[in-house]
Amino acid sequence: DVKVTQSSRYLVKRTGEKVFLECVQDMDHENMFWYRQDPGLGLRLIYFSYDVKMKEKGDIPEGYSVSREKKERFSLILESASTNQTSMYLCASSSTGTGGEKLFFGSGTQLSVL
Amino acid sequence: AQRVTQPEKLLSVFKGAPVELKCNYSYSGSPELFWYVQYSRQRLQLLLRHISRESIKGFTADLNKGETSFHLKKPFAQEEDSAMYYCALSPRNTGKLIFGQGTTLQVKP
Repeated sequence: DVKVTQSSRYLVKRTGEKVFLECVQDMDHENMFWYRQDPGLGLRLIYFSYDVKMKEKGDIPEGYSVSREKKERFSLILESASTNQTSMYLCASSSTGTGGEKLFFGSGTQLSVL
Repeated sequence: AQRVTQPEKLLSVFKGAPVELKCNYSYSGSPELFWYVQYSRQRLQLLLRHISRESIKGFTADLNKGETSFHLKKPFAQEEDSAMYYCALSPRNTGKLIFGQGTTLQVKP
C-alpha cells in the first residue's frame, strides 16, 4: 500500500520564522504535490514536481518554495511565515502514465502561525 | 480558465434518501474528472473517475459535457457516507488536479 508520510501532524510557528514541511513517499512515484486545504476554498495547489530537482508553480506559490533533491522526498518551505499561511497542508504523490491523476495523500500538517 | 465549482458547502439528508452532490467545471478541452472523498480522521482518497465509468460504494457520476457537469449520485444514502467530497479536474497531460471547494455530506439516521 502506498504510504505518503508528512513529518508533523501539528506545527505552531511564529510570524517571520522559516518553516519546513517534509513529505516522503515510498512507492517510487515520479510526481509529488503540495496543496493547502482551507474551509470553503477546497484544495489549492501550491507547487508540484515531476522529477528530482524539477518544480512547477501551482495556483498559489507566493510565499512558498519547494525542494526535491531525492525522488522520495518533497519539502515545502515557508520563507517567512505569516498568519495567512495558517492552514492544513497536504502532500500527495502519483505515478506517471498509470492514471497519474490518482493521487495518494498524506495525513496532513496543520500549521498555525501566531 | 480552468475551474471546478461545487455550489453546496453542506448537504444534509436522511438515511435512505437519494443523494446528489453537484459539480460544474470550466475547461476548454476534453476533461478528466474525479471525485475524491475524505472521511473523518482519514486521508483524502480517490472515490471514482469518469473514465472508468464505475460504481464505487454505490456512487456513480456521469460526465455531461453539454452542461459541463459531473454530479455524484447515490440512490440510497448510508450513515457511513458522511464525509467531505471533492470534485476534481485534471487538464490533459499535466498530471495535476484542480479541486473544487468541497461539499460536506451529512447523512442523518
